[in-house]
Amino acid sequence: GAGVSQSPRYKVAKRGQDVALRCDPISGHVSLFWYQQALGQGPEFLTYFQNEAQLDKSGLPSDRFFAERPEGSVSTLKIQRTQQEDSAVYLCASSSSVGERTDTQYFGPGTRLTVL
Amino acid sequence: AQSVAQPEDQVNVAEGNPLTVKCTYSVSGNPYLFWYVQYPNRGLQFLLKYITGDNLVKGSYGFEAEFNKSQTSFHLKKPSALVSDSALYFCAVSFWGNNRKLIWGLGTSLAVNP
Repeated sequence: GAGVSQSPRYKVAKRGQDVALRCDPISGHVSLFWYQQALGQGPEFLTYFQNEAQLDKSGLPSDRFFAERPEGSVSTLKIQRTQQEDSAVYLCASSSSVGERTDTQYFGPGTRLTVL
Repeated sequence: AQSVAQPEDQVNVAEGNPLTVKCTYSVSGNPYLFWYVQYPNRGLQFLLKYITGDNLVKGSYGFEAEFNKSQTSFHLKKPSALVSDSALYFCAVSFWGNNRKLIWGLGTSLAVNP
């Protein structure tokens, strides 16, 4: 596709519900990143995939957060038993190479999650 | 600790005037520096990056940034601001040893007044 797409764009969940957020990276991009952006803050790294391999998940805040990219393309970020503090915008980014530190990351529009 | 600072929460400039959005960093090793812009309800858009070489980097939409190693700064600049430049600007750094993730500043809100 022309850019990174994410769905849904907005999600409202009741506390305790599970949610799944989808990311479609730019076609052919090897690297995929998830970030969490709280209101008024900069993005915070959650996890990184190189193809289907999850090479870094050091930013996932708890074991309620789980991400996968089974075929090396589309990725899903799943949050179990959502809490109010999970309310944020979840950003997905992709880059073309195998994750050189100089790569440009291209971002999707984000999914705004609100937990009531 | 590795960090990025954007010392100004908000910058106001008049249309047609030059603008500067400040960024300083603290990392060990060589930094790779990025600027992104975020419009309301839209994702982050890449503006420019510094990897190595010329300290003055030119990017999208007429923006440029100057890398200053001695001052550990990477300020974003534009010679003549447009009202449409009004947005949230983020500085980010990647560096040796952090496994490719970007470390972000808190953002600076730029308001360009007609």
